[in-house]
Amino acid sequence: DGGITQSPKYLFRKEGQNVTLSCEQNLNHDAMYWYRQDPGQGLRLIYYSQIVNDFQKGDIAEGYSVSREKKESFPLTVTSAQKNPTAFYLCASSIRLGSSYEQYFGPGTRLTVT
Amino acid sequence: GQNIDQPTEMTATEGAIVQINCTYQTSGFNGLFWYQQHAGEAPTFLSYNVLDGLEEKGRFSSFLSRSKGYSYLLLKELQMKDSASYLCAVSTLSGSARQLTFGSGTQLTVLP
Repeated sequence: DGGITQSPKYLFRKEGQNVTLSCEQNLNHDAMYWYRQDPGQGLRLIYYSQIVNDFQKGDIAEGYSVSREKKESFPLTVTSAQKNPTAFYLCASSIRLGSSYEQYFGPGTRLTVT
Repeated sequence: GQNIDQPTEMTATEGAIVQINCTYQTSGFNGLFWYQQHAGEAPTFLSYNVLDGLEEKGRFSSFLSRSKGYSYLLLKELQMKDSASYLCAVSTLSGSARQLTFGSGTQLTVLP
């Protein structure tokens, strides 16, 4: 079955630690995205990548970093510089970076930093 | 920037029809998506509109008016499983990048 996997589903970290969230897709999609969702709010774009070895900042990139060394993988690192990291993080992919291509979402990782 | 508005909450009865509105103000409009999201789960694609008019897909229909910056999602024959958050997302073109900007979502509760 093709799809997007994110692990773990729940993640707990102490303040001041960096943490990396994984995202893997076997849909052969070129474009991948990371979103953050806070309670009662919509999704906000953190980073996106339209092809291997290329990525662009979204609306709220500060305190986050990404890499795209393989087409299938787009890990997100939440650094200690992110002031309010506790949130629900969603990874998505689409065939290509374009307005008409629907995005498929992974199951999400709920990160809690204390 | 982009501004997307949708009601925070709506309640309807099983078997009824409900219309969820979405208004937007944006530049470089390239289409509008509706997603359904159950609590704690990933959003799933419902519909995509890029031209004015109504797109029907089973119990769900979506309408777009680009001149008015307005869309709605129509759900017919409501079922309990339709209780979820419905996200309106606008696709925009900025330079060479196309991005999706999401509204805050409308939490729909279907009552028996």
